[in-house]
Amino acid sequence: AQTVTQSQPEMSVQEAETVTLSCTYDTSESDYYLFWYKQPPSRQMILVIRQEAYKQQNATENRFSVNFQKAAKSFSLKISDSQLGDAAMYFCAYRSFGNQFYFGTGTSLTVIP
Amino acid sequence: DTEVTQTPKHLVMGMTNKKSLKCEQHMGHRAMYWYKQKAKKPPELMFVYSYEKLSINESVPSRFSPECPNSSLLNLHLHALQPEDSALYLCASSQGTTGSYGYTFGSGTRLTVV
Repeated sequence: AQTVTQSQPEMSVQEAETVTLSCTYDTSESDYYLFWYKQPPSRQMILVIRQEAYKQQNATENRFSVNFQKAAKSFSLKISDSQLGDAAMYFCAYRSFGNQFYFGTGTSLTVIP
Repeated sequence: DTEVTQTPKHLVMGMTNKKSLKCEQHMGHRAMYWYKQKAKKPPELMFVYSYEKLSINESVPSRFSPECPNSSLLNLHLHALQPEDSALYLCASSQGTTGSYGYTFGSGTRLTVV
């Protein structure tokens, strides 16, 4: 089975600064999809960004961007110009071509005013 | 409508009670999911309904039973639960069962078993 590892249980960042959350995964598949989800205290899991493994170009969504290194099986999330509303639990997730969905253990992000 | 709606938001039940959680989406998604989430842990998959066919995580106890009356509605029936079943129960849906579709999650039901 695929595994998704988030090695940083907690991170903090000053407001307006940049932070990078790391994620690595283990797979033998060549086609798959990667996601970052945000879960604020309101509990709802919100899709932040997605990446198709066959695309070399890194995905970006406004202040959020990823650094996808397929050979290294690494998928880090960069948050630029951090805002107080970015404080949340962030989960990295892997979706296999056959629809199996695997979540990492999460990184709790604190934004310091 | 781009939401997954879960009701109730909070539920307290005794170990002998029977209750149901409800999940609804009107996005035309053909796959719906139930997840269980403990505090500061990732969600754990319980059930998948894909094109009205059920897939079960074998580790889920039989005191949880899903029901999919139609493609927009997903229920989770609860019976004789244990205190360790207290958790956040999340419903999700996806447009397809393969591909780059992410899941759309509801805001969950916080369940407390007393």
